[in-house]
Amino acid sequence: GAGVSQSPRYKVAKRGQDVALRCDPISGHVSLFWYQQALGQGPEFLTYFQNEAQLDKSGLPSDRFFAERPEGSVSTLKIQRTQQEDSAVYLCASSFTGPINYGYTFGSGTRLTVV
Amino acid sequence: AQKITQTQPGMFVQEKEAVTLDCTYDTSDQSYGLFWYKQPSSGEMIFLIYQGSYDEQNATEGRYSLNFQKARKSANLVISASQLGDSAMYFCAMSDSGNTPLVFGKGTRLSVIA
Repeated sequence: GAGVSQSPRYKVAKRGQDVALRCDPISGHVSLFWYQQALGQGPEFLTYFQNEAQLDKSGLPSDRFFAERPEGSVSTLKIQRTQQEDSAVYLCASSFTGPINYGYTFGSGTRLTVV
Repeated sequence: AQKITQTQPGMFVQEKEAVTLDCTYDTSDQSYGLFWYKQPSSGEMIFLIYQGSYDEQNATEGRYSLNFQKARKSANLVISASQLGDSAMYFCAMSDSGNTPLVFGKGTRLSVIA
């Protein structure tokens, strides 16, 4: 596709509910990144993939967070037993493997509100 | 570890004036890239400008320029001829390659006044 697509755009979850957030990167982009952005803050790194391999998951805040990219394209970020502190915008970005100035393209994000 | 510091939580600028948004960084890498992104209230991250650590000239993209001072580890964004549509959050970020995660600062909220 022309850009990075994220769905849903908005998600309201009851505390304790499981949620799944989808990211469809730009076709051909090898690297895919997930970020969490709390209100009024900068994005914080969660995890990233090269193709289907999850190379770094050091930013995942707890074992309730799980990400996958089974075929090296679409990725899903799953949050189990959601808590209020999980309320944030979840941003996905993809990049092409190459010189750094190829840059990163971000999706519009999923705004998760846990009530 | 890489770190980005943006010390201005909020800035105001008069329409048509220039404004500088500050960014300092810390890294032990010799090769790295610096980025600026704009995030309007709609939430998307819009890429503005990029500066490589080995680039000798400051990057420019239209009304945006990056004042890169390597010895001082600063990468300030200059927006010339501000427009009302420039009102947004601005984030400075860095990476040591095109394949590794960007590290972001906390951002600066710019408000352009008519």
